[in-house]
Amino acid sequence: EQVVESGGGVVQPGSSLRLTCVGSGFTFNSFDMNWVRQAPGKGLEWVAVISHDRKISNYADSVKGRFTVSRDNSKRALFLQMSSLRHEDTAVYYCVKPGRPGSARGSWFDPWGLGTLVTVTS
Amino acid sequence: QSALTQPASVSGSPGQSITISCSGTSSDVGSFDYVSWYQQTPGKAPKLIFYDVFKGTSAVSDRLSASKSGNTAYLTISGLQTEDEADYYCCSYAGGGAYVFGTGTQVTVL
Repeated sequence: EQVVESGGGVVQPGSSLRLTCVGSGFTFNSFDMNWVRQAPGKGLEWVAVISHDRKISNYADSVKGRFTVSRDNSKRALFLQMSSLRHEDTAVYYCVKPGRPGSARGSWFDPWGLGTLVTVTS
Repeated sequence: QSALTQPASVSGSPGQSITISCSGTSSDVGSFDYVSWYQQTPGKAPKLIFYDVFKGTSAVSDRLSASKSGNTAYLTISGLQTEDEADYYCCSYAGGGAYVFGTGTQVTVL
C-alpha cells in the first residue's frame, strides 16, 4: 500500500494551489481519504476528508471555505484545491489512507506518504 | 476542533517507564474507541504504532502499550531505550468523518 503526494510549491498569500495524491496497492474506491498537514516544527493537524463515494466531505475549521477536497476513483487520485492561501497554511501536506474501509466508523491512518511541502510567502 | 492536549516533553533514563497522556473531551476521546498513536522521527513521516485505543501494529515493540480512560488516552513506554526517542502524537475520531490530533510529545532518553 502506498500513497504519493505532489503539487506543493512556493506561492504568495492569496493565491491558489492544487495538491494531488495517487494511491496504489489497495482498493482506492473503498476508502475515505484524508489530508493531514504539519507546519514546520509544529504538530499534526487533520485538514479534510472525502468519503469513498465522494458523497461526503468535511474540513477543519481552519480551512473551511478555502480548501476543497475531491477525488477521481478511476485514476486512484485524491486532490486538495487550496485557495486564498495564508502564511499559516505553510506546511507539509500528507495524504493518508484510513486503516478501515467505508465511512461507518472511525479509523486510523496508515500508510502515510512522504508529503508535499507548501510554502506561502510574500 | 481543539487539539488534544499532550505534555510537550517527557524524559526518562534508560530502563525507566514513562507515560504520555492525551486529554480530549466527551466529543472525541470520550465518545469513540478510535484513538490511534503515531511515532515520528526527525525528517520522517509519522508512523502508526497503536490503533483502536490499544491495538499495536506488528512493528511496535511490546515494551509499548496504550489505553484509554474516560476522556484521556495514554501511551506507556516501559524499559525506555534510546531508540524510543521521537515525537509521539495521539489522534481521535471526532465524528462526522473528522479527526483531531494531539499537540505532540517529544520523548527524550537521558
